[in-house]
Amino acid sequence: GAVVSQHPSWVICKSGTSVKIECRSLDFQATTMFWYRQFPKQSLMLMATSNEGSKATYEQGVEKDKFLINHASLTLSTLTVTSAHPEDSSFYICSASGRNPGELFFGEGSRLTVL
Amino acid sequence: AQKVTQAQTEISVVEKEDVTLDCVYETRDTTYYLFWYKQPPSGELVFLIRRNSFDEQNEISGRYSWNFQKSTSSFNFTITASQVVDSAVYFCALSEAFYGGATNKLIFGTGTLLAVQP
Repeated sequence: GAVVSQHPSWVICKSGTSVKIECRSLDFQATTMFWYRQFPKQSLMLMATSNEGSKATYEQGVEKDKFLINHASLTLSTLTVTSAHPEDSSFYICSASGRNPGELFFGEGSRLTVL
Repeated sequence: AQKVTQAQTEISVVEKEDVTLDCVYETRDTTYYLFWYKQPPSGELVFLIRRNSFDEQNEISGRYSWNFQKSTSSFNFTITASQVVDSAVYFCALSEAFYGGATNKLIFGTGTLLAVQP
């Protein structure tokens, strides 16, 4: 079964609203989680690295005030898209490093559509 | 800087044909991990393989096989006797390793869309 779960799987919202996406590690503690974004027919691009108990590290070009990341516990990281606009419509996927060297688990992804 | 190149944007084969998906990577790290993922239309990433930089042994898993060659910085993926269910986008990815071996962020290639025709 899935070891990293994302919620919601898909969401449709109006322009200007905020949307929160949750990423949970189900049976292990994830000190570090990663958030990726994938536009249609494109590759996955890392947005930020989320560290439990500290501020996220954002990749160049990613607006930290627009994409708020909170990693308040060892099993939960959240991504909030603030004041969403149609250009934010994308597939957002989280991942978490596992207990063993090289292990990495991905969530199922969350498809955001902003009208 | 790390980089992953998947030169093949789209490949179309007929069922039962063998197909090889190419992956070339760049990194200055001596310790790193290489991955292949399958992404069907539903979007979730399906893990296929992880290989660390010290293990150059080729691997076979059913109809899937991987050829890792550090000399050419390549990590190619072959599907033998392809099936329609193999149709998906396949991503090759690279990760440096933290001290202790934990996986860092992944750098993905642009993906190869494989279409297997019946």
